[in-house]
Amino acid sequence: DGGITQSPKYLFRKEGQNVTLSCEQNLNHDAMYWYRQDPGQGLRLIYYSQIVNDFQKGDIAEGYSVSREKKESFPLTVTSAQKNPTAFYLCASSIEGDNYGYTFGSGTRLTVV
Amino acid sequence: KQEVTQIPAALSVPEGENLVLNCSFTDSAIYNLQWFRQDPGKGLTSLLLIQSSQREQTSGRLNASLDKSSGRSTLYIAASQPGDSATYLCPGTYKYIFGTGTRLKVLA
Repeated sequence: DGGITQSPKYLFRKEGQNVTLSCEQNLNHDAMYWYRQDPGQGLRLIYYSQIVNDFQKGDIAEGYSVSREKKESFPLTVTSAQKNPTAFYLCASSIEGDNYGYTFGSGTRLTVV
Repeated sequence: KQEVTQIPAALSVPEGENLVLNCSFTDSAIYNLQWFRQDPGKGLTSLLLIQSSQREQTSGRLNASLDKSSGRSTLYIAASQPGDSATYLCPGTYKYIFGTGTRLKVLA
């Protein structure tokens, strides 16, 4: 079955460490997105990519980095510059264009210990 | 900047009631509108997608409509069940902007 796989499901980070969240899709979608969700808040866009080797900052990109070397993969690195990284991270993908919906992964919960 | 407002923010109803969830946008330039549900600690599950040329979509007990001129969408849930308990989200526009959703609890 086609879908989006996020791993790991739970991730613990020590202060000052960089960690990378994985997002892989086999839907042949062009565009991929990373969102952050905090308790009681809506999803906020971190980064998005509409095509391989290209990506744009979303509303809260500071302290995060991404790469898009393959169509299927869009990993997110949470760097030590992100001062409050504890959150639920969701990856999504879509066919690029105006009339297509998003498919979401099951999320990664990151906790700073 | 586009903002999304969902009303009500929370709703608790007995099983069997028909429900209406509302979503409004500050910018009515909406390309398509997708309704999702999110269970606690889980990802988002797509319920209905209204494409730009459409005005409504139906799936089972769910019906969603979109009025672009007013920047509003409505999700109608018929004969609600405890399994419908979740948070419902309605992002729209070209790059999805999310509100905080409607938290629904259906009591058995």
